[in-house]
Amino acid sequence: QKEVEQNSGPLSVPEGAIASLNCTYSDRGSQSFFWYRQYSGKSPELIMSIYSNGDKEDGRFTAQLNKASQYVSLLIRDSQPSDSATYLCAAEGGGGSYIPTFGRGTSLIVHP
Amino acid sequence: KAGVTQTPRYLIKTRGQQVTLSCSPISGHRSVSWYQQTPGQGLQFLFEYFSETQRNKGNFPGRFSGRQFSNSRSEMNVSTLELGDSALYLCASSLEAGVPEAFFGQGTRLTVV
Repeated sequence: QKEVEQNSGPLSVPEGAIASLNCTYSDRGSQSFFWYRQYSGKSPELIMSIYSNGDKEDGRFTAQLNKASQYVSLLIRDSQPSDSATYLCAAEGGGGSYIPTFGRGTSLIVHP
Repeated sequence: KAGVTQTPRYLIKTRGQQVTLSCSPISGHRSVSWYQQTPGQGLQFLFEYFSETQRNKGNFPGRFSGRQFSNSRSEMNVSTLELGDSALYLCASSLEAGVPEAFFGQGTRLTVV
């Protein structure tokens, strides 16, 4: 059973701080990793994808992947109240399958 | 560029009935996947279609089925509805099968009473 684990939170950070969201996955064969943001009552929105070990930066977002530790993280710099949402981590590609496995999500609250 | 369009947005059905949901992918996208999202189970993969063929299937009973048309539009059908089928059903499209970046539609909120 492939699993992706996330702390459900909520993670509360003050405006302007760095929010750090973490995710672990069980399938060592997973090749592709994604972070989705989901506002309450809305559908998930892809914000980052990462395929190689190391860091990938896109604006205020940085995704980090460590395949040896089976660990993925998302850093949000200069957090804004508009970043308040649930962040879903997904892993895909183990065993030639393209079926993604999603974590349950971490709720982030950025307070002014 | 229009996004993924799902219809209807909301549905209320009675136990035992069947339901059909529709999804139009982003123009040029040929792969369509369906997901069920519930508070208890999170986001779970139902199936993926590419070129009118089901490529992958998640761990759901045979009451859940789908199809894809030649224009890449997709439908999913749930027969003999159960209360536990109440969920947000999401469709996601991607450019090609095996291209992992997927873009979600707004979803269909199904309530079974």
